[in-house]
Amino acid sequence: GNSVTQMEGPVTLSEEAFLTINCTYTATGYPSLFWYVQYPGEGLQLLLKATKADDKGSNKGFEATYRKETTSFHLEKGSVQVSDSAVYFCALSVEAARQLTFGSGTQLTVLP
Amino acid sequence: DVKVTQSSRYLVKRTGEKVFLECVQDMDHENMFWYRQDPGLGLRLIYFSYDVKMKEKGDIPEGYSVSREKKERFSLILESASTNQTSMYLCASRAFSGSGNQPQHFGDGTRLSIL
Repeated sequence: GNSVTQMEGPVTLSEEAFLTINCTYTATGYPSLFWYVQYPGEGLQLLLKATKADDKGSNKGFEATYRKETTSFHLEKGSVQVSDSAVYFCALSVEAARQLTFGSGTQLTVLP
Repeated sequence: DVKVTQSSRYLVKRTGEKVFLECVQDMDHENMFWYRQDPGLGLRLIYFSYDVKMKEKGDIPEGYSVSREKKERFSLILESASTNQTSMYLCASRAFSGSGNQPQHFGDGTRLSIL
């Protein structure tokens, strides 16, 4: 089956620190990969995506590279801000799947 | 931009009531979904629909039903609300893609409290 494993949270960083949130996956078929962000009290928003190996998705200073050889899609940001405090979800979809498969989410708190 | 609109941000109901949560999307998406989200349990799929009048059970359908009479609208129904259905409910929609490369788009959520 399909599954997504994210690093356990919560993650607490100081402002301007470097962020990595690990995400690995197993998939039956060739997946597309997504990162979502959920701010407190809100729904999930698409942060970035990548649809083939070696693609790099980027948005708002966040990046993630689709690594087929290591089945990974780690989220990175060079300098986090307090406003990046949120829950981050990694997700995948395989061909013709109707829905995405989500990881369990990683809570990020950035302190001033 | 895709817009998924949930009818209420906050809702308070009483045990035993029949509760309707409404969701509307404006992008002619085929697929629509209802999730609930509880601390420590992540996103859990309740029901989804891949076409008008079509529905499929997700991981936790017990105590819920759904209705999709029009393509843009997907309703979640709590037949007889119970306190263990207090949760955040999230609606999502998605265009069908044979390659699987389309994201899901989420509404802002409804925080439902059952007293």
